[in-house]
Amino acid sequence: GAGVSQSPRYKVAKRGQDVALRCDPISGHVSLFWYQQALGQGPEFLTYFQNEAQLDKSGLPSDRFFAERPEGSVSTLKIQRTQQEDSAVYLCASSQILGQANTGELFFGEGSRLTVL
Amino acid sequence: AQKITQTQPGMFVQEKEAVTLDCTYDTSDPSYGLFWYKQPSSGEMIFLIYQGSYDQQNATEGRYSLNFQKARKSANLVISASQLGDSAMYFCAMRERVRSGANSKLTFGKGITLSVRP
Repeated sequence: GAGVSQSPRYKVAKRGQDVALRCDPISGHVSLFWYQQALGQGPEFLTYFQNEAQLDKSGLPSDRFFAERPEGSVSTLKIQRTQQEDSAVYLCASSQILGQANTGELFFGEGSRLTVL
Repeated sequence: AQKITQTQPGMFVQEKEAVTLDCTYDTSDPSYGLFWYKQPSSGEMIFLIYQGSYDQQNATEGRYSLNFQKARKSANLVISASQLGDSAMYFCAMRERVRSGANSKLTFGKGITLSVRP
C-alpha cells in the first residue's frame, strides 16, 4: 500500500500477557518512529530507527517495551507482561531523511489500540 | 520545561470564519522545525504545515498559515474559512537538531480541540 500500515488495529490483552504490534512503513522511508498516545493526549515518543539501527530509545517507559526493525523495513513493538497503564493507541510513523527537498514530516499509520484488562 | 505548550482546552468557531490555534515552544537549538498535525475522530494524524527556524517567511498551505514569531517562540496556526470537516484535534510539534541528511523525533504538544459550528 501507499501509506503506513499497522496491525492489529485493535488488541485486547489480559494483564500479564505479551503483545506484538506490527508496522509496515512507506516504501523507501528509512526513518521509522513509534509513539504512544493516551486518550485525549498528544503522542509521546517511544523510539526511532534509521534503517535497522535503533538510534533513539529514550522514550521507552520500561524494559518491558522492546522494538526491532531487523531488515530496515517492517518494525515490531513488543510489550511484555502488559499492565493496565499500557492501554493506549500505539502510532507508527515513517519519514524520509531530511533534505533540501523535504521537511522530514512524519507519515502516520492509523494506530494500534491496545486495551489491557 | 514543556517543549511544546498548547493551553487552549477547546476552541469553537463559526463555519466560514477564521480561527487561530496557539502554540509556544521552548528550545535552545538554533536549528529546529515546527509542524502542525490534525487528528480527526477517526484517529489518523494528518500533516498540515511546516515552518523551519531559518525560514524568512511564514509558511502557508491552502487555508492554513503559520504565524511564526521567533522572538516570542510562538507558532500559531491560522485556519481561514473554517469548514465543518475542520473539527478535530490539532497538535503542534517540534523537531530539534535539524540537520540535512539526518533525522530525529518530533515532540508533540497536548493538542487543542477545534469544533466548527454550522
